[in-house]
Amino acid sequence: DTEVTQTPKHLVMGMTNKKSLKCEQHMGHRAMYWYKQKAKKPPELMFVYSYEKLSINESVPSRFSPECPNSSLLNLHLHALQPEDSALYLCASSHKISDRVILFQPQHFGDGTRLSIL
Amino acid sequence: SQQGEEDPQALSIQEGENATMNCSYKTSINNLQWYRQNSGRGLVHLILIRSNEREKHSGRLRVTLDTSKKSSSLLITASRAADTASYFCAPHNQGGKLIFGQGTELSVKP
Repeated sequence: DTEVTQTPKHLVMGMTNKKSLKCEQHMGHRAMYWYKQKAKKPPELMFVYSYEKLSINESVPSRFSPECPNSSLLNLHLHALQPEDSALYLCASSHKISDRVILFQPQHFGDGTRLSIL
Repeated sequence: SQQGEEDPQALSIQEGENATMNCSYKTSINNLQWYRQNSGRGLVHLILIRSNEREKHSGRLRVTLDTSKKSSSLLITASRAADTASYFCAPHNQGGKLIFGQGTELSVKP
C-alpha cells in the first residue's frame, strides 16, 4: 500500500466530458506533483505545487487544470481531452521545509489513475 | 535534455545473478535518485545519492556516482524474481525538478 492515495484507479471518458482526478497524502508533505506517463515511457512532469501554490507548470494544455485545496489534497480537473491524453496520471509528494527553499527530497508516488479517452 | 539516459534498455537475468544498470546525464545536479516501478503501479524511491557522494549502499543495492563523467550505476546483488520491474534514474537538477530517464526493464527469471 502506498501513502499517497489516488482515485479513481481507472477512468474512461469521452472527449466532451468533465472529470477530476484526486490525490491525497497525510505525510505532512508541502510539495505535490502531477506526472503523466505513457506506456513504456518515463513519467513526465506536468505541475508542481509548493505550499498549496502552483510553482511549476510545464506548458501543459489548459484542458488540464490543477487545484490544491489544502495541504493534503491535489486535484486535476479534466475537460475536452483528446485521445492522445490517454495515459497513467501519477501524483507524488515530498517534504519541503519552507516555500522559499528548494528541498531535494525523494518523492512518494501514488499508484496512479489510468485514463482512457474515447 | 537534462534527463538521464539509461543503459541497457532491457536486461534479463537468472535469479541469484547481479544486475547492473547505468545512467548518464548532461547538466549539473544536486543529487541523483533511483526509482523502481512494478507493472501497473506507481514509482517507489530506492536510493538517493548526493552530488558530493561517490557510493552509497542500501541492502542489496549499490549506487555509484561519477560527477566528472556525469554518470551513475545501480547494482542489484543476488537478484530475486520480485526484483522484476522497470528502474529509472532521475537526476535532480538545481531548479528542483526530477527528470526521469527512459528506464531499464529488468526481468529476473526464477
